[in-house]
Amino acid sequence: DQQVKQNSPSLSVQEGRISILNCDYTNSMFDYFLWYKKYPAEGPTFLISISSIKDKNEDGRFTVFLNKSAKHLSLHIVPSQPGDSAVYFCAASPGGTSYGKLTFGQGTILTVHP
Amino acid sequence: NAGVMQNPRHLVRRRGQEARLRCSPMKGHSHVYWYRQLPEEGLKFMVYLQKENIIDESGMPKERFSAEFPKEGPSILRIQQVVRGDSAAYFCASSPNRDNTIYFGEGSWLTVV
Repeated sequence: DQQVKQNSPSLSVQEGRISILNCDYTNSMFDYFLWYKKYPAEGPTFLISISSIKDKNEDGRFTVFLNKSAKHLSLHIVPSQPGDSAVYFCAASPGGTSYGKLTFGQGTILTVHP
Repeated sequence: NAGVMQNPRHLVRRRGQEARLRCSPMKGHSHVYWYRQLPEEGLKFMVYLQKENIIDESGMPKERFSAEFPKEGPSILRIQQVVRGDSAAYFCASSPNRDNTIYFGEGSWLTVV
């Protein structure tokens, strides 16, 4: 039962263009959503998060959009840089006292070509 | 300002042996989480601990796995009588309180031969 899904296993983008990574969830109890970036043999690095009371959060080149009615969120990276090449994980939390109890998607491998 | 520290980074165990993975949270963080990533899968929650307390262990396998976070020292994830299916990356994360973003360590890679 995959409660958080990232349907694109991989994405290839040219340097300078926009990268859009997508994530769908099924559990209406999720209240807080996060994106993590991961390099091989390293731990996930927190990128950006959004609470369910918002529909957009921006931090530098990274913007996360949340569509609660569609149970969909996306991460926009603009402009994309070769150093952004990594695996990106979407994660969801029920919030409250269980903020750290995250349900992760399977990940999307982003490759940014120079 | 050290991050979450995990050791060992790589551990090889024969079937039937015990594996102990250690995690020191970031300074000022008293909440620790353990996650496991099996090959070709996303990370899965295992257990949430505060000092001397297990808060949520709903993701822990029922047998052979245990976790602790003593008053002094690191958090320990212990796997007894390891089997090949335990081969995975084990990640620890910490946060300063229960309603805050969690930050991950570099991970411990367990290989069971």
